[in-house]
Amino acid sequence: IAGITQAPTSQILAAGRRMTLRCTQDMRHNAMYWYRQDLGLGLRLIHYSNTAGTTGKGEVPDGYSVSRANTDDFPLTLASAVPSQTSVYFCASSRTPYSYEQYFGPGTRLTVT
Amino acid sequence: DQQVKQNSPSLSVQEGRISILNCDYTNSMFDYFLWYKKYPAEGPTFLISISSIKDKNEDGRFTVFLNKSAKHLSLHIVPSQPGDSAVYFCAASYTFPSGGYQKVTFGTGTKLQVIP
Repeated sequence: IAGITQAPTSQILAAGRRMTLRCTQDMRHNAMYWYRQDLGLGLRLIHYSNTAGTTGKGEVPDGYSVSRANTDDFPLTLASAVPSQTSVYFCASSRTPYSYEQYFGPGTRLTVT
Repeated sequence: DQQVKQNSPSLSVQEGRISILNCDYTNSMFDYFLWYKKYPAEGPTFLISISSIKDKNEDGRFTVFLNKSAKHLSLHIVPSQPGDSAVYFCAASYTFPSGGYQKVTFGTGTKLQVIP
């Protein structure tokens, strides 16, 4: 089934640990995004990539890094997790960086203790 | 500063009646508006959109209205069905002057409950 997969589905992580959230799409979309969803704050953009090999900072990039080595994969890394990074993380893609519609993965629920 | 606001965190509507979800924005550069629907434990899915050059777009039971002068848009669902119970996110997009990339800003969401 075409779409976006994210792993893990959920994770409990000790503060200070490193964690990589995985995101893979099979739609050959050029642009990919990482959002976090927090109660009362909606979806906030962390990082984005307009095409393979390029990345950019979103609204809340601090404490996160991304890479885009190929079209399909867009991992998000927390170098040293803090409790404020407890959230639900969504990966999304769009056909091009000029496209309005984004397609979302099922999310990763991360709890940092 | 929240550029896209959904001031009602929740809304309850009887099955068969109309659901009206509201969204306000502050950035005049937004030129495209979207609504996404999100069920629990799933990612948001695109529902309907409208260009800033239009004031209405309809797709089946879903209609989006745009009032540019008031910087306000609304989503109407008629008739509402229990399966419509979900969180609805309003989103607004504008084109970066250089490069033409889209920047999408999401609202905080409104949880709709349709009561059978």
